[in-house]
Amino acid sequence: DQQVKQNSPSLSVQEGRISILNCDYTNSMFDYFLWYKKYPAEGPTFLISISSIKDKNEDGRFTVFLNKSAKHLSLHIVPSQPGDSAVYFCAASDSRGADGLTFGKGTHLIIQP
Amino acid sequence: DAGITQSPRHKVTETGTPVTLRCHQTENHRYMYWYRQDPGHGLRLIHYSYGVKDTDKGEVSDGYSVSRSKTEDFLLTLESATSSQTSVYFCAISESLSRGGVNEKLFFGSGTQLSVL
Repeated sequence: DQQVKQNSPSLSVQEGRISILNCDYTNSMFDYFLWYKKYPAEGPTFLISISSIKDKNEDGRFTVFLNKSAKHLSLHIVPSQPGDSAVYFCAASDSRGADGLTFGKGTHLIIQP
Repeated sequence: DAGITQSPRHKVTETGTPVTLRCHQTENHRYMYWYRQDPGHGLRLIHYSYGVKDTDKGEVSDGYSVSRSKTEDFLLTLESATSSQTSVYFCAISESLSRGGVNEKLFFGSGTQLSVL
């Protein structure tokens, strides 16, 4: 049973516009959420995170929003750039444990020129 | 970049043969993880380690074993490889927090592409 869900396998956005990637989770024990970016033939790299005590975290062009009541988070990229084309993974953690992160299946973001 | 080296980067092997993948870190981080990435499944945890000789199973541990005899090395072994173990394998590390617990942010290696024919 998937605990972290990314229901859009792919997303195409025009350069300069906003990209919105969505993620839902089912485990109410998750209290820390992260987004990773992955290029082909490379390992995932950390992008941005948010603790469950917050509802928004911003880092440059990237903003993550968390709606705990809906068990939903989203990643906004504004403006989208060609280098943003990659697979984005949503991940979640129960910070009381040491058993790593639970990942979604990923969303392939394609930025169109 | 976090100092994580995975070897080999690519391997082709035959069904039934043993295979060992190596992860080496230079960060002296306590926690190490093995994930596999497959189309339609994202990243799934195989095994993890919270210290030398301390390991535990993840979500998809069947058919895999691990060992950690030194802080810097975490080995993943497929005792008898099967075609279903064809995948990209990623090692990850995370550090301890001064207040106790583990930093949830993982740093990943570049991956090992394993093909089992």
